[in-house]
Amino acid sequence: NAGVTQTPKFQVLKTGQSMTLQCAQDMNHEYMSWYRQDPGMGLRLIHYSVGAGITDQGEVPNGYNVSRSTTEDFPLRLLSAAPSQTSVYFCASSYSGQKEQFFGPGTRLTVL
Amino acid sequence: DAKTTQPPSMDCAEGRAANLPCNHSTISGNEYVYWYRQIHSQGPQYIIHGLKNNETNEMASLIITEDRKSSTLILPHATLRDTAVYYCIVRGLVNDMRFGAGTRLTVKP
Repeated sequence: NAGVTQTPKFQVLKTGQSMTLQCAQDMNHEYMSWYRQDPGMGLRLIHYSVGAGITDQGEVPNGYNVSRSTTEDFPLRLLSAAPSQTSVYFCASSYSGQKEQFFGPGTRLTVL
Repeated sequence: DAKTTQPPSMDCAEGRAANLPCNHSTISGNEYVYWYRQIHSQGPQYIIHGLKNNETNEMASLIITEDRKSSTLILPHATLRDTAVYYCIVRGLVNDMRFGAGTRLTVKP
């Protein structure tokens, strides 16, 4: 199993640009989440999904959209990038709400 | 609101036990205590979790007080590779983990 994969690893955007961060898992996990981590801080939950077709907002959802059309994929869309969205983004998945989460390697995003 | 309180940093000598405390005084009856760690800028790694009983696995032990208001993660024989930020998280039934700032553990030779 590849586990949780994220692409790209690094990305630089200009203010106002849009892009999609990709996340995929091959463990048939129902639960998937997106977090952001700013320097020196813990992770903050952006959006999460409890299964295909179901998504919900986390702690910091503004400026981001998600969809879950398949069990495997959970893309994160930045609608109009802002410098405040410069961060490291982690995707995670788990079998259920009470099971351990597996994290991807992260995407390092810089917005100029 | 991370719902947990941890010391910002701790040191431990290599080969000794590392005991990392966590306060979660507002924990409710259906919430679990989870521990993750993050080495450098990698994705967090699951360590252990529990509800009210003490738990042990190949990585660590988790001791939860009887009133469930605090817990301790124990790394029995810390190595240099255990240097990381350790996060204590209280988590309910939904997939909504709230990370705090964690404890930066430095294992020294």
